[in-house]
Amino acid sequence: GEDVEQSLFLSVREGDSSVINCTYTDSSSTYLYWYKQEPGAGLQLLTYIFSNMDMKQDQRLTVLLNKKDKHLSLRIADTQTGDSAIYFCAESNGNDMRFGAGTRLTVKP
Amino acid sequence: ETGVTQTPRHLVMGMTNKKSLKCEQHLGHNAMYWYKQSAKKPLELMFVYNFKEQTENNSVPSRFSPECPNSSHLFLHLHTLQPEDSALYLCASSPPGRGAGELFFGEGSRLTVL
Repeated sequence: GEDVEQSLFLSVREGDSSVINCTYTDSSSTYLYWYKQEPGAGLQLLTYIFSNMDMKQDQRLTVLLNKKDKHLSLRIADTQTGDSAIYFCAESNGNDMRFGAGTRLTVKP
Repeated sequence: ETGVTQTPRHLVMGMTNKKSLKCEQHLGHNAMYWYKQSAKKPLELMFVYNFKEQTENNSVPSRFSPECPNSSHLFLHLHTLQPEDSALYLCASSPPGRGAGELFFGEGSRLTVL
């Protein structure tokens, strides 16, 4: 079956940039997503990118997509302690949505 | 507040118990989902309902039984569970139309099977 993979943990210092990486295998992906899960909460959509784009910027967030390598990344500029959460990568081909295992981002003061 | 409400938030049950998880959404969405979240594993899709009809069952054991009486409510009936079924069970819904396919998640029901 198709897979979405991401590293499980990332630790950064407050004020630094965070980069969370994701790879996927489905070549027919239409949308790629980043969801954020704060402690004790469900997942909330953070941002998404259409597969014919290679970059999307939204305030402190930058999403980069390398469709050839099937690689997606999320960069958080000036990371704050409130950004500590689990970040899930997901992809959809219009029918199914597949999620990774989530990357737990820890921000140290 | 995402508009998707799950109850109970926490549940502890023995392997011989029967319990149910409930999900409710008032967003006007037509599709509802059950996901299983286990540590260090990809989020696992269990069931999908579209307009109250089950459209997907991802080889889920029969000890999990979904019910969707209407487009706003979704249940997951649990019976004779195993300790490895302990996990966070997430309900989600999505709006009609293809769009960007965003899912709206509830806060989850943390299940512990003793």
